[in-house]
Amino acid sequence: KQEVTQIPAALSVPEGENLVLNCSFTDSAIYNLQWFRQDPGKGLTSLLLIQSSQREQTSGRLNASLDKSSGRSTLYIAASQPGDSATYLCAVRMDSSYKLIFGSGTRLLVRP
Amino acid sequence: EAGVAQSPRYKIIEKRQSVAFWCNPISGHATLYWYQQILGQGPKLLIQFQNNGVVDDSQLPKDRFSAERLKGVDSTLKIQPAKLEDSAVYLCASSLFGGGVFEQYFGPGTRLTVT
Repeated sequence: KQEVTQIPAALSVPEGENLVLNCSFTDSAIYNLQWFRQDPGKGLTSLLLIQSSQREQTSGRLNASLDKSSGRSTLYIAASQPGDSATYLCAVRMDSSYKLIFGSGTRLLVRP
Repeated sequence: EAGVAQSPRYKIIEKRQSVAFWCNPISGHATLYWYQQILGQGPKLLIQFQNNGVVDDSQLPKDRFSAERLKGVDSTLKIQPAKLEDSAVYLCASSLFGGGVFEQYFGPGTRLTVT
């Protein structure tokens, strides 16, 4: 059974700092991995999706990497801003089906 | 393009009462999902519809939860009777079709508190 773990559960950093969020999964035979952002009282917004054949994806100040063999993904946020404060969730798909398996998320606070 | 709409946004009920949530997906999206997100956890899929047919309801507690999607558009999720452990945010999502290549778009969720 696939399990997705995110560490740390919460993180507080000063504005401008570069930071890394971690996601690990127990079964490396994934189809793809996706990072989401969740703001209080709002739904999930997709940030980056990495196919199993890819090593990384970039969007603006965000860079997500994937190492299937070790069962790990990281989300790198450069030059963090208070507007980046949110909960970040990673989720994996085990095959081409729809089902997303989520981690518990990392709650990020960027202090001005 | 309008996003996924959900109502109500918040609901407080007593245990053993009934409650229903409504979801309107993005126009033209054939696939609709209901997720349950307990505080401090990631969302868990409850049920997936393809048009008005159920694709997967393996994690839906069928003794108390039910869902329908009439005419392949709007959907309702019902809990009857509610238990304390049902307190969670219920998220609705839709995608153009099922399958991992199609992005899921999430609504704002309904926060349910059972007292």
